[in-house]
Amino acid sequence: GAGVSQTPSNKVTEKGKYVELRCDPISGHTALYWYRQSLGQGPEFLIYFQGTGAADDSGLPNDRFFAVRPEGSVSTLKIQRTERGDSAVYLCASSRRGGSEAFFGQGTRLTVV
Amino acid sequence: AQKVTQAQTEISVVEKEDVTLDCVYETRDTTYYLFWYKQPPSGELVFLIRRNSFDEQNEISGRYSWNFQKSTSSFNFTITASQVVDSAVYFCALSEGDSNYQLIWGAGTKLIIKP
Repeated sequence: GAGVSQTPSNKVTEKGKYVELRCDPISGHTALYWYRQSLGQGPEFLIYFQGTGAADDSGLPNDRFFAVRPEGSVSTLKIQRTERGDSAVYLCASSRRGGSEAFFGQGTRLTVV
Repeated sequence: AQKVTQAQTEISVVEKEDVTLDCVYETRDTTYYLFWYKQPPSGELVFLIRRNSFDEQNEISGRYSWNFQKSTSSFNFTITASQVVDSAVYFCALSEGDSNYQLIWGAGTKLIIKP
């Protein structure tokens, strides 16, 4: 595909469950970013990958959140023991290299009930 | 501390009117980048512009123009002859340093263009 693809587009889960959110970046983009956006707010930085490694994970709110990018392409954001406060739209973006123009996916809307 | 303020929560204008979206930022760095993104109802953030702190030239792209003024720490965005398709939430964002990968975002301004 031409753009950043995120799956699922919507996810409803029960409090305490584990969820995985997937991001397929644009082919050839080495940099990948995860953001979280709550209703009526701007995105909040979570983590930045350069290749396979997490170059900056300072935005992850706590140790329930974890992200991987094992082959330098697809990334998975993992949330353990979900809480209602985790409900938000999770956005993924990629760019050719760190700092260049970032292209965003349409996001995964996570609802924890 | 870094901060981006978009004081206008929502703006509503009639089609063909000009409209300016305000953005004020705070940073202690001398090297930084400023961005504008558009988020239509579909939810996907669309990149509009990136400007580095050393380039204060105003920029025009079609009906869009940006006014960067370091003296007032502002990076305002103007749409001339607005169209219904311009309706969206517009975000201003800031990053510091050369890497500019970690964006600090404003809360966004919802722009409604009425036919």
